[in-house]
Amino acid sequence: AQSVTQLGSHVSVSEGALVLLRCNYSSSVPPYLFWYVQYPNQGLQLLLKYTSAATLVKGINGFEAEFKKSETSFHLTKPSAHMSDAAEYFCAVTVPSGNNRLAFGKGNQVVVIP
Amino acid sequence: NAGVTQTPKFRILKIGQSMTLQCAQDMNHNYMYWYRQDPGMGLKLIYYSVGAGITDKGEVPNGYNVSRSTTEDFPLRLELAAPSQTSVYFCASKGDPNTGELFFGEGSRLTVL
Repeated sequence: AQSVTQLGSHVSVSEGALVLLRCNYSSSVPPYLFWYVQYPNQGLQLLLKYTSAATLVKGINGFEAEFKKSETSFHLTKPSAHMSDAAEYFCAVTVPSGNNRLAFGKGNQVVVIP
Repeated sequence: NAGVTQTPKFRILKIGQSMTLQCAQDMNHNYMYWYRQDPGMGLKLIYYSVGAGITDKGEVPNGYNVSRSTTEDFPLRLELAAPSQTSVYFCASKGDPNTGELFFGEGSRLTVL
């Protein structure tokens, strides 16, 4: 079964600095990969997704992620952190067959320091 | 633009009580899911459905039941609540079976005392 690993449950970043959240996946077939964001007391919403087209994917709010098959990674970046980026971020993986179940990582809680 | 609607938002149960978390979507999505979210653990899949009349177990189904009599509704039933079921529950739906995004409700926070 497919899975993702997110290291570091809490990530602190200064306002204006680079945001980098790491995601590594495990899948026996080419995967589809997603990043979701969760603001306090809300459900998750999609930031961006990779579905076997361009390997560099741009999402909402200035975030982007690059699919690297050789490294089995799908790291999320944003060049300049804003206070509104404080949230929890989840990487998720599925495969284009079967029951389409999404496997989530444990999440990264991002704190933005003014 | 209702999307996915969950009720109730908050509930406190006593050990051994039962209750149903309601989930409804108005996007005509075939795929629906129930997740639970515990601090530092991400989201765990409880049950899912690929269409009306079809349900299947996820990673953590024990202590829960679901039904899917219509495309719109996917209720989650807790029988004999236990403290281990204290969690935040999220319902989600998906339209495109392969690449579509999950649309989440706002969550139901359940405490079992």
